Amino acid sequence: DAGVIQSPRHEVTEMGQEVTLRCKPISGHDYLFWYRQTMMRGLELLIYFNNNVPIDDSGMPEDRFSAKMPNASFSTLKIQPSEPRDSAVYFCASSAGFPSYNEQFFGPGTRLTVL
Amino acid sequence: QQPVQSPQAVILREGEDAVINCSSSKALYSVHWYRQKHGEAPVFLMILLKGGEQKGHDKISASFNEKKQQSSLYLTASQLSYSGTYFCGTGTNDYKLSFGAGTTVTVRA
Repeated sequence: DAGVIQSPRHEVTEMGQEVTLRCKPISGHDYLFWYRQTMMRGLELLIYFNNNVPIDDSGMPEDRFSAKMPNASFSTLKIQPSEPRDSAVYFCASSAGFPSYNEQFFGPGTRLTVL
Repeated sequence: QQPVQSPQAVILREGEDAVINCSSSKALYSVHWYRQKHGEAPVFLMILLKGGEQKGHDKISASFNEKKQQSSLYLTASQLSYSGTYFCGTGTNDYKLSFGAGTTVTVRA
């Protein structure tokens, strides 16, 4: 298996622009997670899905952030409009079974820079 | 709530041992350990479950004190490849993981 795939790997955009990050989880995994990592706040869970359904989005910072999972093999995280404070590395991860009890496989991340 | 990790950083010579601690104020179902090298994604090391079950690398050892909500990761006979930032992730009754701030380990020759 190719592992979790994320695109793009790097994104540089200007404040106010829309940004869309993409993720393909490992086939057969029923949980998908979006994390954000910064030096100040560490690794934060933004939202997670189970069988394509959003379960907990309490970590989404504000309404500018939205996430979708239209099918088992694809998810997007959208920021509109983007702000400089959104600059971070965004990781997608997937797991098979309950998150508390099973390994999470992380994608390579998308490094987002908002100017 | 984010678990607390200690120490924040440790420097070792090859062959030396170290212990990384993780504690939570909440009742835990599980503790996960991940290692992240600079510019890369976190990589799974092991899971310790309430009740004593463990899943993960044969060469990594860890403990989980359920009563104290604490876990420790033991780096024994460290190698250069052990360098990186170690994160603990705690699983509670809401099923999602909360990650600690990380412990940076540097192993020198």
